[in-house]
Formats: sequence, C-alpha cells, structure tokens
Amino acid sequence: GAVVSQHPSRVICKSGTSVKIECRSLDFQATTMFWYRQFPKQSLMLMATSNEGSKATYEQGVEKDKFLINHASLTLSTLTVTSAHPEDSSFYICSARDPATGYEQYFGPGTRLTVT
Amino acid sequence: KQEVTQIPAALSVPEGENLVLNCSFTDSAIYNLQWFRQDPGKGLTSLLLIQSSQREQTSGRLNASLDKSSGRSTLYIAASQPGDSATYLCAPGGATNKLIFGTGTLLAVQP
Repeated sequence: GAVVSQHPSRVICKSGTSVKIECRSLDFQATTMFWYRQFPKQSLMLMATSNEGSKATYEQGVEKDKFLINHASLTLSTLTVTSAHPEDSSFYICSARDPATGYEQYFGPGTRLTVT
Repeated sequence: KQEVTQIPAALSVPEGENLVLNCSFTDSAIYNLQWFRQDPGKGLTSLLLIQSSQREQTSGRLNASLDKSSGRSTLYIAASQPGDSATYLCAPGGATNKLIFGTGTLLAVQP
C-alpha cells in the first residue's frame, strides 16, 4: 500500500517556541492531505484539510494562526505549531489520499509533541 | 454533523475466537467507510475501505460489512490472534473526503 511518513516522530519544545512537522507521501502524489490531533485515550480529531497550491481549510474551533499549514508540493505538507503552549501537547497525525485508489486515506506514523 | 459510535468500547477474548466490532453513524450520506487499527503510540493502518455502493469487503481474516441506509458497519475478525490486539477505528467519509472517527474499540486477544 501507499506510504506516508512524518518527521519528526517525537519533539519536545519549550513554551513559546514554534515547531514544524512534515508529512510526506513517499510513493504517490497527494493533492489532498489531512491533519489530525489525538489526545490520550481519545479518537482522532480532524484539524484541517491541506490542498496542494491553495490555502488549507480549517475545522471549526481550530486556530489557523496557531496551526499554520503549507502544502507546497504534491508530496509534502507541513504543520507549524506557533508559539506552542503545554495545552498543544498532543499526538499529531497526517493522512494523504491516493487518487489512484479512490478515496482511501493513508496515515503517517504520527508525531508526539510535548511542550514544556 | 456526523457522529460515529463504536461498540463495545473494549473487548477481551481468548485466542481463536471469532468476533464482531460494531460501528454506527448518524449521517447516511457517506461516500465510503474505512476501518483502521491503531497500535499504542502509533499511527493508523488502513484495514478495509468499503465504497458506499458496496455491502462488504474482505481481506484475509477480516470482513467488513456496510448497511448505509441504517448507518451501520461491522468488522468481523475470524480466528483472532494475540497480534490482533489493538484499537480498531471506523471512519465514514463524506463528499469532502473528510473522515470522521469513531471512539474506537480496544481489543485484547489473550494467548
């Protein structure tokens, strides 16, 4: 199946700093990628839809100025958590849709963000 | 607004048992439904994708069914193994390709 990677897998940062997370589709071109966050023992919550070459679409309640999304190429989307605070600590997961297989979404391994 | 519920929330079975995981969703206007497994601290692995026009999909010991009109899907796991222990998530997808995730079923298969 299609492979999606994320980098870094874990990151610890100090409060007030910014952190960038990369999501790559390794063997297919993804015009659309999605970003989720997951709190401990909870399900995934969709944050935003990232479209190549255009602005991301954010879900209700997600601060677009805090969670900056850039989808500059067909294989790379980035999520930047700006001015991170401890409440931003979470597991961030991206997914990418492979048009060749219909609407199936493939997920990255996730990034564990800890803000101290 | 789509709401997805999975029952049971947790399940513990001895190795070799056949089992059924249930997923219900409130908005039947879906394009597809995916089942995933998630191991602790890991990302999601796609198990099966059912298009809205299909009634079931099979992959190895896994069989997923979809009753779109009643807003239900089930995942059947045959001859369960300890390696099947994980959290199983269902996610119906709408016209915008967004997936709305259920609360998950935590499965433990005892050797």
